[in-house]
Amino acid sequence: KAGVTQTPRYLIKTRGQQVTLSCSPISGHRSVSWYQQTPGQGLQFLFEYFSETQRNKGNFPGRFSGRQFSNSRSEMNVSTLELGDSALYLCASSLDPLNIYNEQFFGPGTRLTVL
Amino acid sequence: GIQVEQSPPDLILQEGANSTLRCNFSDSVNNLQWFHQNPWGQLINLFYIPSGTKQNGRLSATTVATERYSLLYISSSQTTDSGVYFCAVESSITSGTYKYIFGTGTRLKVLA
Repeated sequence: KAGVTQTPRYLIKTRGQQVTLSCSPISGHRSVSWYQQTPGQGLQFLFEYFSETQRNKGNFPGRFSGRQFSNSRSEMNVSTLELGDSALYLCASSLDPLNIYNEQFFGPGTRLTVL
Repeated sequence: GIQVEQSPPDLILQEGANSTLRCNFSDSVNNLQWFHQNPWGQLINLFYIPSGTKQNGRLSATTVATERYSLLYISSSQTTDSGVYFCAVESSITSGTYKYIFGTGTRLKVLA
């Protein structure tokens, strides 16, 4: 079974631009979560989608948004990029967050550099 | 919110040595996972262990949920074990919604 895939793997943008990252979960998984990893803040939860609905959201500004499609694939968008948005963005999929056995599996990440 | 602390923050071992990594959490959790992050950033699942003990080769883990801690044991360490080890706990945000919270990690370097 294929793992979680993320595209693109690397991205360089300039301040003020916007960016869209994509995540395809493991086949059959219905929940997708996004995380931001920076050296200063560590791994922080961005948001979670389940059945095309955002179920949870972390403490990030409204410039960070996402969506999930009917095939469970998810995208996240960051508008008006700032230097501090440079980070590794990780996507995780799980079967069903309401399932007591909610093991998460991570993709390889997208490394975003904002110049 | 729930706090997740990992210790030690850094660890240097000689190849063949054993080590114990600890994860403390401040409140009851629904689930707990251990991950190894490789140099390319990929988080590799090691254990899904909300309670009890599991073993996988040279690695084993124990979670004592009632005392709010988990331990990851690495025996006969190899240079390929180098990287950052994260503990992540799933905590309730509101009724029916949950999220995973990560510890700050233990950076392990194994010397040949």
